[in-house]
Amino acid sequence: DGGITQSPKYLFRKEGQNVTLSCEQNLNHDAMYWYRQDPGQGLRLIYYSQIVNDFQKGDIAEGYSVSREKKESFPLTVTSAQKNPTAFYLCASSIDARRGYTFGSGTRLTVV
Amino acid sequence: AQSVSQHNHHVILSEAASLELGCNYSYGGTVNLFWYVQYPGQHLQLLLKYFSGDPLVKGIKGFEAEFIKSKFSFNLRKPSVQWSDTAEYFCAVNARNAGNNRKLIWGLGTSLAVNP
Repeated sequence: DGGITQSPKYLFRKEGQNVTLSCEQNLNHDAMYWYRQDPGQGLRLIYYSQIVNDFQKGDIAEGYSVSREKKESFPLTVTSAQKNPTAFYLCASSIDARRGYTFGSGTRLTVV
Repeated sequence: AQSVSQHNHHVILSEAASLELGCNYSYGGTVNLFWYVQYPGQHLQLLLKYFSGDPLVKGIKGFEAEFIKSKFSFNLRKPSVQWSDTAEYFCAVNARNAGNNRKLIWGLGTSLAVNP
């Protein structure tokens, strides 16, 4: 079955450490997106990529970095510069944003 | 800039009550409209979408939404809710001819709790 896989589902890290969240899709979608979801704040866009080797900052890119070396993969690194990294992170992909997105099941990151 | 507004942040209903969740957007051009649902502990799923044609859109699980262009609205409705409809509901818009038409603009979500 085609879909988006995010791993791990739960992740714990110590403050000051960088951590990388995985997002893989086998839908042959060109576009991929990373969102952060916090209670009462909806979905906030961190980064998105329309094509391999290209990506753009979203609304809250500070303290995050991404790469898009393969069409299937769009990993997100939460760096130590991110002041409040504890959150639920969602990855999505689309063949065309006008048709909507397909979402992964998310990674809950807790920084202690 | 385009924006999406969901009027109700928290809604509590009893089973069999009717549901209407409001969604308004700010963009004067052509739009595609979406409602997504996130059940507790699960990922976001597409509930229904509007591209063109009939402004009354039917989705999964008995949901429907009506696009009213003059009101810039896309309200979600269900005649009779069930306990299993307890979830968070998100409205999203793609502004087709805007500079940022490569992504969806999201509302803040409405949390629905249905009491058995």
